Amino acid sequence: DGGITQSPKYLFRKEGQNVTLSCEQNLNHDAMYWYRQDPGQGLRLIYYSQIVNDFQKGDIAEGYSVSREKKESFPLTVTSAQKNPTAFYLCASSIDLYRASGANVLTFGAGSRLTVL
Amino acid sequence: GESVGLHLPTLSVQEGDNSIINCAYSNSASDYFIWYKQESGKGPQFIIDIRSNMDKRQGQRVTVLLNKTVKHLSLQIAATQPGDSAVYFCAENVNYGGSQGNLIFGKGTKLSVKP
Repeated sequence: DGGITQSPKYLFRKEGQNVTLSCEQNLNHDAMYWYRQDPGQGLRLIYYSQIVNDFQKGDIAEGYSVSREKKESFPLTVTSAQKNPTAFYLCASSIDLYRASGANVLTFGAGSRLTVL
Repeated sequence: GESVGLHLPTLSVQEGDNSIINCAYSNSASDYFIWYKQESGKGPQFIIDIRSNMDKRQGQRVTVLLNKTVKHLSLQIAATQPGDSAVYFCAENVNYGGSQGNLIFGKGTKLSVKP
């Protein structure tokens, strides 16, 4: 089945540590995204990538980094510079970055919950 | 995703009743809207979309209504079932054909279906 796989589902981190969340898709989508979800808030965009070796900052990129070395993979690193990293992180993909439509809506992974101890 | 529903407006309905979930969007220039469903511990799933040149669109058991005058969007679910229990949120896209990096997501409403 085609889809997006995020791992790990749950992750605990000590303060001052960097952690990397994995996101893999086999949908052959060009565009990939990382969102952060906090209780009672809408999804907020961290980073997005239109194509391999290219990515753009979203609304809350500070304290995060990404890479896009392969079309199917878009890992997110939560660095020690992120002051409040405890959250639910969602990876998504779409056929391309533009032309939001029923044929090009975001497909989401199941999410990764990061807790800072 | 279990804590996604905390601090959200909650709608509680009886199984078999119709549900109406509302969303006020922020930008009068938005011209494409999406409803997502997020079950506990899962990522959001696309339900239905609507363009700004329409005021109503129907899917299977779901209907989306758009009122551009008051910037209001609603999702109607007919004959609500226990499997419909989830958090529902809307998203708006400014300028159809614009970047999906510009999607704005609402905070969501938690739908609870009583058997």
